Amino acid sequence: DQQVKQNSPSLSVQEGRISILNCDYTNSMFDYFLWYKKYPAEGPTFLISISSIKDKNEDGRFTVFLNKSAKHLSLHIVPSQPGDSAVYFCAASGGWETSGSRLTFGEGTQLTVNP
Amino acid sequence: DVKVTQSSRYLVKRTGEKVFLECVQDMDHENMFWYRQDPGLGLRLIYFSYDVKMKEKGDIPEGYSVSREKKERFSLILESASTNQTSMYLCASKMGTAGNTIYFGEGSWLTVV
Repeated sequence: DQQVKQNSPSLSVQEGRISILNCDYTNSMFDYFLWYKKYPAEGPTFLISISSIKDKNEDGRFTVFLNKSAKHLSLHIVPSQPGDSAVYFCAASGGWETSGSRLTFGEGTQLTVNP
Repeated sequence: DVKVTQSSRYLVKRTGEKVFLECVQDMDHENMFWYRQDPGLGLRLIYFSYDVKMKEKGDIPEGYSVSREKKERFSLILESASTNQTSMYLCASKMGTAGNTIYFGEGSWLTVV
């Protein structure tokens, strides 16, 4: 049962344009969402997060939008740069006691930004 | 900066061998995790620990065990390695409360032949 789903395995955009990565979740207990970026042969690094009490969080070129009613979040990168080329993972947590600390990840989306 | 260190970056082991993957974090985090990453499957949680000597199964614990004798160290054990355990293994740590960021190590590439 995939509780966090990233339906696009890959995305290709031109440098300077907007990249939009999407993520859907099924568990209504999730109340905190994060995006991680991963380069090959490295561990994922934290990018940006959002709490369920917000619908938008912005950090420089990165903005995350949350639509709770649709159980959908998206990451916008604008303008996209070649160095943004990586795999992006959506993750969610929340609800249970000790398990509230764990993150459930999506499958990842490979973003390629072409010069 | 939070530092999560995985002792081995690349390992090659034979089928049936016992394999230990070690992880150390330097931020006094209560929670530690072991994930594996496989193409198209994302990051899947194997085990996690919310305190010393405490552990909980994740989504794919079969074939694995863990040990947390000290707060800073979390070990993943493959009792009898099999080829389907060839993967990238990622250790992570996090402060206690939900909603905090999880920090990853650089990963350990394990090949079982």
